[in-house]
Amino acid sequence: AQSVTQPDIHITVSEGASLELRCNYSYGATPYLFWYVQSPGQGLQLLLKYFSGDTLVQGIKGFEAEFKRSQSSFNLRKPSVHWSDAAEYFCAVGAYGSARQLTFGSGTQLTVLP
Amino acid sequence: SQTIHQWPATLVQPVGSPLSLECTVEGTSNPNLYWYRQAAGRGLQLLFYSVGIGQISSEVPQNLSASRPQDRQFILSSKKLLLSDSGFYLCAWSPQGHLSYEQYFGPGTRLTVT
Repeated sequence: AQSVTQPDIHITVSEGASLELRCNYSYGATPYLFWYVQSPGQGLQLLLKYFSGDTLVQGIKGFEAEFKRSQSSFNLRKPSVHWSDAAEYFCAVGAYGSARQLTFGSGTQLTVLP
Repeated sequence: SQTIHQWPATLVQPVGSPLSLECTVEGTSNPNLYWYRQAAGRGLQLLFYSVGIGQISSEVPQNLSASRPQDRQFILSSKKLLLSDSGFYLCAWSPQGHLSYEQYFGPGTRLTVT
């Protein structure tokens, strides 16, 4: 069965600093990988996705993520964080099957200092 | 474009009372549909998914049930709520027969059982 680990429960960065959120997955085949963002009291919004091809994927809001098969990782990055990026971030891996289920990590809470 | 609606947005119910949460999707046909629960400070737990009308799969045994009476309508129910049912309930959809696995989330329902 697939699994996702987000080792950082909470990260604090200063506005304008760079950001990297870690995600490690376990899956027997080529993974489908996603990053979602959730603002307080809101649903989840898809930031970016990886299916195949170029291992560096670009998403919305200036985010990017790099798939590294050798490290089973899909880390999320942003070169300069804005105060509005404060939210919770979830990594997810897609499971093969008719329902195309996703398995989510436990999330990383991002705090942005002024 | 596709949109997903959930209601109510918030709900406070006493222990032992019934529950009905509704989710509808617009702008697509025959979607996969999902119910998740998110407890405070925790990740997403998949409760039910559906690949078609009347087809429901349960991921976690509990006192909740789900139904899909129409193609784009997904209902989460309970006959008698428990305190442990409190949480944030998210509905999501994904396209059928599509290569991508991404899911799109509704705004959620905050349920407090007192």
